[in-house]
Amino acid sequence: DTAVSQTPKYLVTQMGNDKSIKCEQNLGHDTMYWYKQDSKKFLKIMFSYNNKELIINETVPNRFSPKSPDKAHLNLHINSLELGDSAVYFCASSQILQERLFFGSGTQLSVL
Amino acid sequence: SQQGEEDPQALSIQEGENATMNCSYKTSINNLQWYRQNSGRGLVHLILIRSNEREKHSGRLRVTLDTSKKSSSLLITASRAADTASYFCAEGDGANSKLTFGKGITLSVRP
Repeated sequence: DTAVSQTPKYLVTQMGNDKSIKCEQNLGHDTMYWYKQDSKKFLKIMFSYNNKELIINETVPNRFSPKSPDKAHLNLHINSLELGDSAVYFCASSQILQERLFFGSGTQLSVL
Repeated sequence: SQQGEEDPQALSIQEGENATMNCSYKTSINNLQWYRQNSGRGLVHLILIRSNEREKHSGRLRVTLDTSKKSSSLLITASRAADTASYFCAEGDGANSKLTFGKGITLSVRP
């Protein structure tokens, strides 16, 4: 069974569109995250949720909106996509905040 | 935000050799973690060392931490082709509950 699963794996879309990435974890973890990895492999935290509550919200455009319907899910919705949003987006989870993260396999977003 | 620096940026070794990767960090850490990323995959947690620890082992992995120099090293002994991946250190600063990743080291292990 996949511990942290995110869909879709690839997302190709036009500028200006709205898209969502879904994430689910079956590890029973309390904390979930969204990270963005750019083309140089630099990994940056975007959001962190603990028990469905937002606890970290880095300097991310408000076009990005996370939604956590329950502890096991953290979805990422992106409005008005821009070329610079092209990257790989990783969902992750952990039992203790910021320790021993389990990552999903990533969603490669390409904005044309 | 602060970000660790790994050294070297790329490392190529022969199978069976040891690989040493270094990481320097800038904040006062609560812990330092190492992750591996295979091409096209998510990161996998390898080992966590706390600020009051100096050395930790896990299988063929050995991690050291020198808080006076704000540096950590990851040693992979008897490397295998399957160890080919990117390795990231991540500093957990505790106070702000942030985990900040370094830029990564690309390790290539030649069969």
